Formats: sequence, structure tokens, C-alpha cells
Amino acid sequence: AQSVTQLDSQVPVFEEAPVELRCNYSSSVSVYLFWYVQYPNQGLQLLLKYLSGSTLVESINGFEAEFNKSQTSFHLRKPSVHISDTAEYFCAVRRMDSSYKLIFGSGTRLLVRP
Amino acid sequence: NAGVTQTPKFRVLKTGQSMTLLCAQDMNHEYMYWYRQDPGMGLRLIHYSVGEGTTAKGEVPDGYNVSRLKKQNFLLGLESAAPSQTSVYFCASSYGLAGVYEQYFGPGTRLTVT
Repeated sequence: AQSVTQLDSQVPVFEEAPVELRCNYSSSVSVYLFWYVQYPNQGLQLLLKYLSGSTLVESINGFEAEFNKSQTSFHLRKPSVHISDTAEYFCAVRRMDSSYKLIFGSGTRLLVRP
Repeated sequence: NAGVTQTPKFRVLKTGQSMTLLCAQDMNHEYMYWYRQDPGMGLRLIHYSVGEGTTAKGEVPDGYNVSRLKKQNFLLGLESAAPSQTSVYFCASSYGLAGVYEQYFGPGTRLTVT
């Protein structure tokens, strides 16, 4: 079975500071990895994903995540956050074999303060 | 395109009452999913469908039923609501296999069972 751990339930940070949201996973088989963002009172939106190839993936709004197979991690980073980045961020995994299920972590609330 | 829509947005039920949540998508997606979101637990898959007329159980199917009579609609039913079903329910759809193809989420339905 797969599991996803997001150790930080909330991360407060000042505007323009860097941030890292941590995600570790456990799986007996290879997985695909995802970060989703949920803005207040909205559904989830895909932020970025790792399927194969380069272990560093980037989103259009400045976030990046690096797949580290040896540490089974997929941490999300941004060098300079904005107030508008305030949201809940979910890490998720999916088995590479035939499974329709995304397994989500419990989420990290990013709170950007002016 | 409206994307994924959910009806209703909010609902309060008494224990033992029944209701149906409606999800509709206008993207001609084959795959549709129902999740529930509870504080500190991320999203958990209730049921999913890989095409019109087909449904399958997810992680937490007990107490729920689903139907996919039309490709664009996916209904989630609660036959006898319980307080443990108080949650936010999200519907999602994807063109193909979850993970490889992006899941698009609806805005959610907040259900309270008293």
C-alpha cells in the first residue's frame, strides 16, 4: 500500500521569503507524484507532477519540486512567496501500474503574511 | 466550458435522511471520481467510474452508492445519512487514467449531518 506524509500541517511565512513544503511517501512499487493546491472555498487544482525524466519539475507560478528516490521525498519549494500563494497544498501519489487511485497527504496550509 | 459542477453547494441533513449529490462535467471525460475531504486527512476516494454504466469502490465506499447512467453525470447517494458522513465532498473527472491525465475538481459540496 502507498502512503503520503506531510509533516507540517501549517507553514506561516512572510511575503517574499522562501518556503519549502515537505512531502514523503511510502510505496513498494514505483509511483507518480503530484502537488495540488486548494485556494479557499475552491476545489483542488494540479500544481505540478513528476511522471518521468528530470527529477526537478516546475509550475508556471514559480513553484518547483524535486523527486528524490533515495529519500522517497517530493518537497515543494518557492524562492519568494506572495500573499496570493496562501492556500492548502496537497501532495499525492499514484502507482505506476494499473490503479485509478490518487493517495493524498493530509495537506499543508501555507499562510503568507505581509 | 463550465468544467466540473456540483449540486448542491451546501446541505444539512438529519440522521437517517437520504440525499443525492450531482456531479456534471462538460469535457467529455471518461473517468469520474467522488472524494470526501475531512480535516487533517486529505482527500479519500469514495467511488469512481471508468466510463458510462460502470462504477467501482474506492477507499471508503461504505454508506454510499453511485450511478453513472450518462457519461457527463456521476451521482453520489447517501441512503441513510450518519453524522460520520459530515464532510466536504469533491467530484473530479479526467480524460484518462488518474495521474497520467489531470483530474479536474468541482468546487465541492459541504454536507452536515446532525
